Amino acid sequence: KAGVTQTPRYLIKTRGQQVTLSCSPISGHRSVSWYQQTPGQGLQFLFEYFSETQRNKGNFPGRFSGRQFSNSRSEMNVSTLELGDSALYLCASSGDTMTYNEQFFGPGTRLTVL
Amino acid sequence: DAKTTQPPSMDCAEGRAANLPCNHSTISGNEYVYWYRQIHSQGPQYIIHGLKNNETNEMASLIITEDRKSSTLILPHATLRDTAVYYCIVRAPQEAAGNKLTFGGGTRVLVKP
Repeated sequence: KAGVTQTPRYLIKTRGQQVTLSCSPISGHRSVSWYQQTPGQGLQFLFEYFSETQRNKGNFPGRFSGRQFSNSRSEMNVSTLELGDSALYLCASSGDTMTYNEQFFGPGTRLTVL
Repeated sequence: DAKTTQPPSMDCAEGRAANLPCNHSTISGNEYVYWYRQIHSQGPQYIIHGLKNNETNEMASLIITEDRKSSTLILPHATLRDTAVYYCIVRAPQEAAGNKLTFGGGTRVLVKP
């Protein structure tokens, strides 16, 4: 079974631009979560999508948004980029068991904002 | 989700057992203890989870105290490839909280030859 894939792997943008990152979950997984990892703040939860609906949201400004498509692929968008948005953005997918879920993480997209 | 406390770093000798402690004194009755690790420049990897019983899989063992206020992850025979940051996470079941994981600072484990 193929793992979680994220594209692109590396991205360089300048302040004020916007960026779209893509995540393809493991086949059959309907939950996709996004995380931001920085040296200062560590790993922080951005949002989770399940069956095309946002199920959970972290404490990030509205510049961070996401969506999920009917095939469970997900995109996240960051508008009006700031230097502090430079980070590793990780996507994780998981299945539908009721009580617990192992989450499978992708390799991440490393975003650099200049 | 309950907060967890882990030592920031620890060293371990290759081939020896590594015991990683985690305190979660405010854990609720329906919250599980999860362990993930992140090897440098990779996404986190699930290791093991438990509710109140001790658990073992091919990667590690999880020992949860009877009062559930702390736990220990045991890597039975540490190898150099086990060098990573290990995260202890407490979270409610999916039907209550979805799949949000709240990561703390973790323990940076260095396995030395």
